Amino acid sequence: DQQVKQNSPSLSVQEGRISILNCDYTNSMFDYFLWYKKYPAEGPTFLISISSIKDKNEDGRFTVFLNKSAKHLSLHIVPSQPGDSAVYFCAARDLGGFKTIFGAGTRLFVKA
Amino acid sequence: DVKVTQSSRYLVKRTGEKVFLECVQDMDHENMFWYRQDPGLGLRLIYFSYDVKMKEKGDIPEGYSVSREKKERFSLILESASTNQTSMYLCASSFASGNTDTQYFGPGTRLTVL
Repeated sequence: DQQVKQNSPSLSVQEGRISILNCDYTNSMFDYFLWYKKYPAEGPTFLISISSIKDKNEDGRFTVFLNKSAKHLSLHIVPSQPGDSAVYFCAARDLGGFKTIFGAGTRLFVKA
Repeated sequence: DVKVTQSSRYLVKRTGEKVFLECVQDMDHENMFWYRQDPGLGLRLIYFSYDVKMKEKGDIPEGYSVSREKKERFSLILESASTNQTSMYLCASSFASGNTDTQYFGPGTRLTVL
């Protein structure tokens, strides 16, 4: 049973437009959420995170929104660039902190 | 820059062979992790270690064991490789200061078991 779900395997967006990647979770004990980005032949790299006490965190072109009541988070990329084409993993942790639960990933294609 | 290195980028083994995957990190991180990545399943935790000689099972430990004799090195062992262990294996490390720490990943080892 997947506790972190990314229901869109892929997303295609035009350069300059907004990319919205979605993630749902089922475990109400999760209190910290992360997004990782992965290029082919490389390991995932940390992109942005959000604590459950917040509903928004912004870092440059990347913004993560958290809706705790809906157990839903989203990553917005504005404006999208071809270099953003990668697989994006949503991840979550509970208070214990050792284990990070990852979603299946969404492959983003940004067309020039 | 944190560096996590894995001993091989690609590995081909035969069913029944014993396989060792090595991971080394250079940032004095307490925590180290082994994941496997499969299409449609994302990253699944196999084992993790929060200190030398300490290990904890992750979500899919069956068929695997680990060893952490030194702080910087975490090894994943497939005692008798099977075809369903064909996968991308990713090692990661992090500090132990709390659940907000990010993990740093190695480039991965693509293992094929024939």
